[in-house]
Formats: sequence, structure tokens, C-alpha cells
Amino acid sequence: QSALTQPASVSGSPGQSITISCTGTSSDVGGYNYVSWYQQHPGKAPKLIVYDVNKRPSGVSNRFSGSKSGNTASLTISGLQAEDEADYHCISYTSSITDVVFGGGTRLTVL
Amino acid sequence: QVQFVQSGAEEKKPGASMKVSCKASGYTFTSYAIHWVRQAPGQRLEWMGWINGGNGQTTYSQKFQGRITITRDTSASTAYIELSSLRSDDTAVYFCTRRIAPAVLDYWGQGTLVTVSS
Repeated sequence: QSALTQPASVSGSPGQSITISCTGTSSDVGGYNYVSWYQQHPGKAPKLIVYDVNKRPSGVSNRFSGSKSGNTASLTISGLQAEDEADYHCISYTSSITDVVFGGGTRLTVL
Repeated sequence: QVQFVQSGAEEKKPGASMKVSCKASGYTFTSYAIHWVRQAPGQRLEWMGWINGGNGQTTYSQKFQGRITITRDTSASTAYIELSSLRSDDTAVYFCTRRIAPAVLDYWGQGTLVTVSS
């Protein structure tokens, strides 16, 4: 089971938009509309911010949006704020018995 | 409200075993699966395995086969993860999380730090 590929780090200034990619295969990201994104601040548990590629749980800011094209999913954060500085992880459903496959995580720095 | 409360931090010697608990509340425990994920210091999230909340069926990452056991006590709404033959690189924070739909892990425990050191 290979991990999904995410960039190690991205950065942006307050007010800007950034996009984090998450690349898998046709057995996971490309095969299903079941990709989710999680925000994790240092010392905290991950928090679900996007699921089913582009849906947001109740209470999550609409500055967070998701999309997918082929085997690559993306998370876009618009209007960057200092509080967005965190690690972001993607997870996809996979047809294997393991059920899920994780990305390597991306560290977002707000300059 | 849905909540997961995990057991406290542990310190273990190499070769020992660990057992971390994850008590669920706020929903019907048998309705959803529980996944276990760990995170070594400064590292990525690493999936370890999962247990079907209804029938107790388990699936483990090949990386931990032979060393890992995930169980559940439905009467206590609690899931457990055991890892044996601990090594220093098993030092990590261990999380439990609820799966409500494919790739949707909506609630997480607070994490349990397990330190393996001689």
C-alpha cells in the first residue's frame, strides 16, 4: 500500500490563496469520490475539514474547498489567515482491504 | 456529543508490549468502525489498522502484521490496540478515530504518547 503524494510544504501570505495537491492512483483517488482533508495543529488531533472531495462539515469555513481531477485531489485555502498555519493531510478510500490510504502531509506556513 | 477518550501516556522498554484504550461516547458504538493511526515525532500520519464496530472483524497494515492486535469491548464502548515487541521507532502518538463513511474519519481521540526507550 503506497502513500498518497503531497508536497512537503507550501507557504503563502495573509489574504492569498494556496492549493495543496494529493496524488494517488486509479485504485484510490482516481477511482472514487472519497477523498478527505484534515487540518492538524501542533500537539492536536487531526480535524476533518473536507470530505467526499468537496464537501465541508458543519462549522468549517468556506475558505476551505476541495476538488479532484483524475488521480489528483486538491485542497484550496483562500483568504489565508495566521490560524491556517498547520499540517494538512489527505486520505482516500481504497479498494484494498485496508479501506484507507494516507498522504504524507503538507506543512502550511503563513508568512 | 461524540467523544473519544484515550488512556494516558506510557513509557515502555524495548521488547515490551503496549495497550492503549479508546472509550467512545455519544453514539452507538457498534454502528461504525474504529481506525488506529500513529504519528512519530515530526512525521506523517501512519495507518495501523481498523476494527468493524459491528462484527469485530479486523484488518491490519502489513507493516505491523504479527505484532498488532485491535479489539473492542462493546459493553464498555471501548476499542483497544496492542503492539508487541516494541522498538524505539514505535515511539509515537497513537490516535483512534471513527469511520462514518469511506475515507471520512470524523472524530478523533486526543492521542496517547507511547515512548519506547531503554
